[in-house]
Amino acid sequence: QSVLTQPPSVSGAPGQRVTISCTGSRSNIGAGYDVHWYQQLPGTAPKLLIYGNNRRPSGVPDRFSGSKSGTSASLAITGLQAEDEADYYCQSFDVSLTSVFGTGTKVTVL
Amino acid sequence: QLQLQESGPGLVKPSETLSLTCTVSGGSITSRSYYWGWIRQPPGKGLEWVGSFYYSGDTYYNPSLKGRVTISADPAKNQFSLKLGSVTAADTAVYYCARHADAGLDHCDYWGQGTRVTVSS
Repeated sequence: QSVLTQPPSVSGAPGQRVTISCTGSRSNIGAGYDVHWYQQLPGTAPKLLIYGNNRRPSGVPDRFSGSKSGTSASLAITGLQAEDEADYYCQSFDVSLTSVFGTGTKVTVL
Repeated sequence: QLQLQESGPGLVKPSETLSLTCTVSGGSITSRSYYWGWIRQPPGKGLEWVGSFYYSGDTYYNPSLKGRVTISADPAKNQFSLKLGSVTAADTAVYYCARHADAGLDHCDYWGQGTRVTVSS
């Protein structure tokens, strides 16, 4: 069961900015644990997009950015491109010594 | 370059045990720097953490799996395995093995391609 809540879908036109929220609780994000984000293209394994709340692995465009505040985090995509159409998941750690994923958000480029 | 590859039966009967293996190349599962884990994704649904282990033998499991899961390692083969007992149709999913980037249940920086497992008689 997911303990991190994301909107099921977000959409935007090419070039626009979209944001995806990830809402947790005081036992995970609110406890100070980092939030990470993954991009999953259809039929492929998830790919690490953002780690440590706002750090990008090598090769990830700077159009992707992350932030965290309180019990929530956000992923922003600026200059939306057709290739950004995918599912996005957040992840964090919980005080129960478990790793937790978000419910997932489908990004559609109009 | 680190690579992970899942293997195992694609079809398991209800009430039986699902067994999968992850073979790691380009890095060692006994590294003190990383945890290794399993994540699954039911058809059309989101990601679910199954469990992870550290080379020292520490293991962590998703409590929702209610004691049905065991993760073990074979350092000689540089492999780690997943066993999930008493499976039902709800365990049908793509199963991924992955490396946690730090010595903790941190983000996963390397993933296998995934293997689809169907539970059906």
